[in-house]
Amino acid sequence: EPEVTQTPSHQVTQMGQEVILRCVPISNHLYFYWYRQILGQKVEFLVSFYNNEISEKSEIFDDQFSVERPDGSNFTLKIRSTKLEDSAMYFCASQQEQDNEQFFGPGTRLTVL
Amino acid sequence: SQKIEQNSEALNIQEGKTATLTCNYTNYSPAYLQWYRQDPGRGPVFLLLIRENEKEKRKERLKVTFDTTLKQSLFHITASQPADSATYLCALDENTGFQKLVFGTGTRLLVSP
Repeated sequence: EPEVTQTPSHQVTQMGQEVILRCVPISNHLYFYWYRQILGQKVEFLVSFYNNEISEKSEIFDDQFSVERPDGSNFTLKIRSTKLEDSAMYFCASQQEQDNEQFFGPGTRLTVL
Repeated sequence: SQKIEQNSEALNIQEGKTATLTCNYTNYSPAYLQWYRQDPGRGPVFLLLIRENEKEKRKERLKVTFDTTLKQSLFHITASQPADSATYLCALDENTGFQKLVFGTGTRLLVSP
């Protein structure tokens, strides 16, 4: 069964460094998302992406964040200058059509020291 | 914005019994509502989606109901097994035309043998 994959599974970085989290969505899906989950808290929406552009973003998704779909298969989240409070699990999700279920990847645990 | 309430206390039941989890929302009715399972350190796994014009949806031992008058969804697992032990997340769209999901905090289910 097709699934969303994410790499790396765990990323440790120093505060102020740039990180890129990578996702390979399910191949025939059209809508892509990043969510994050701080330890012990709820899953929070960051950004949605459709037709090669951002369709919606949350307040969390400030100028330090960017997303890209560089080659038609990968979907990346870049954090330009990481802060301690960026430490969380980051989940990528994809969706085939509007108003259908979203399928999540296994997540990348980001630890900012 | 939408607020979702799930019982934050763990639900402990015996194997073979039916588990019932509750999801309440406070504002406008979503176009659809989704239930996910999440194991520790893992991504949410899609279980069921129910739309606003559907009263009930079933999949194997799972059943979801959706009452837009009460602003509530119930999630049932019949003949529960220890392997069903996990956190169950309710998520809904904000019915804004965008596709982002808003998640509840989840309810932890513990099924003892």
